[in-house]
Amino acid sequence: GAVVSQHPSRVICKSGTSVKIECRSLDFQATTMFWYRQFPKKSLMLMATSNEGSKATYEQGVEKDKFLINHASLTLSTLTVTSAHPEDSSFYICSASTGGSNQPQHFGDGTRLSIL
Amino acid sequence: AQKVTQAQTEISVVEKEDVTLDCVYETRDTTYYLFWYKQPPSGELVFLIRRNSFDEQNEISGRYSWNFQKSTSSFNFTITASQVVDSAVYFCALSGQERASGSRLTFGEGTQLTVNP
Repeated sequence: GAVVSQHPSRVICKSGTSVKIECRSLDFQATTMFWYRQFPKKSLMLMATSNEGSKATYEQGVEKDKFLINHASLTLSTLTVTSAHPEDSSFYICSASTGGSNQPQHFGDGTRLSIL
Repeated sequence: AQKVTQAQTEISVVEKEDVTLDCVYETRDTTYYLFWYKQPPSGELVFLIRRNSFDEQNEISGRYSWNFQKSTSSFNFTITASQVVDSAVYFCALSGQERASGSRLTFGEGTQLTVNP
């Protein structure tokens, strides 16, 4: 149980392109979804917290207009990297939770984004 | 503010050795939760265990065991008889009494474990 699907797993695109990453909870309803960014050999950096039906809460230093998050249903959240540049290249991971600090977050497989 | 420290950046062992990964945390919350996740080279994070702050019982699951000591704010993870497949980055994480709709995880920097044949 508690499967989270993230798609695509890998994206290579040109600078200036917008890229959408989907995160789906397959067998449970995710009240909350989280988006992380991970640099090589580094820990996960929380970018934003998204609750179904409301605006995402972004961490300090994360550009809201650059990283658009939509959490339209209890099973789907999307992250759109707008007008991507090479410095946006990274590993992006989503997680989903049924809510509450006692519930583990279940992670997607991640998306490796490479901007040329 | 919450903080998780994994002082061991990298550990290398030979197969069948026991290995302990250290985790020390800081929090002002009276109720909090501790987690361990495994990240193999393929990148996905695998949930291993959750422990709440009121339960200091050690837990064993197969070759894995966890030692939670509130007095030293530590939640260490031991792999017994390590195997090559245990090679991964292991993250310790902490969540506290955040807003009810879901709590942020504070991650440690991770420990890269390499098990050599």
